Amino acid sequence: SQTIHQWPATLVQPVGSPLSLECTVEGTSNPNLYWYRQAAGRGLQLLFYSVGIGQISSEVPQNLSASRPQDRQFILSSKKLLLSDSGFYLCAWSVQTRTEAFFGQGTRLTVV
Amino acid sequence: EDQVTQSPEALRLQEGESSSLNCSYTVSGLRGLFWYRQDPGKGPEFLFTLYSAGEEKEKERLKATLTKKESFLHITAPKPEDSATYLCAPNSNSGYALNFGKGTSLLVTP
Repeated sequence: SQTIHQWPATLVQPVGSPLSLECTVEGTSNPNLYWYRQAAGRGLQLLFYSVGIGQISSEVPQNLSASRPQDRQFILSSKKLLLSDSGFYLCAWSVQTRTEAFFGQGTRLTVV
Repeated sequence: EDQVTQSPEALRLQEGESSSLNCSYTVSGLRGLFWYRQDPGKGPEFLFTLYSAGEEKEKERLKATLTKKESFLHITAPKPEDSATYLCAPNSNSGYALNFGKGTSLLVTP
């Protein structure tokens, strides 16, 4: 069966510090991978998606970047965090584009 | 541009009091609709996929239905453990990922 791992679960970082969130998927090959951010009252916002190694598409201009160094690994990064980067970050995978997605448990990021 | 609206934003029910959640949408080329459940501090959990108008899916006390412009999630005789936020996402021809509604926060009290 397929599983998705996302870590850390919670993170408190000072403004201006770097960020690295990691997500890995097991039990499937060549998944589509996604990073979403969920802010209170605003729903799930798609940040990045990837259909293959090294292929990253950004949906929203922001202070964040994503990379996919391996088939089942997806990383969300920032060089310098802003207060507005606080939120609940979710990694997800799907078999194909626009099919049901399966989510990790999320990372609660607080920038102070 | 695809739009998804879920109502009500919040719903409080007594245990055993049945109700329905609504997901209305405007999308180009609907290819189905997904329902998810999200517990506080957790990632969304996939519940159902509905592919065409008239289709129904059931899981325990939940039944999802789909028309051409909206979907309903019916909750029959809910229990406190059904308390969660329920999210819908229509699947359309535009974009590369799911566009989620803001969700309905359901609280079921004993």
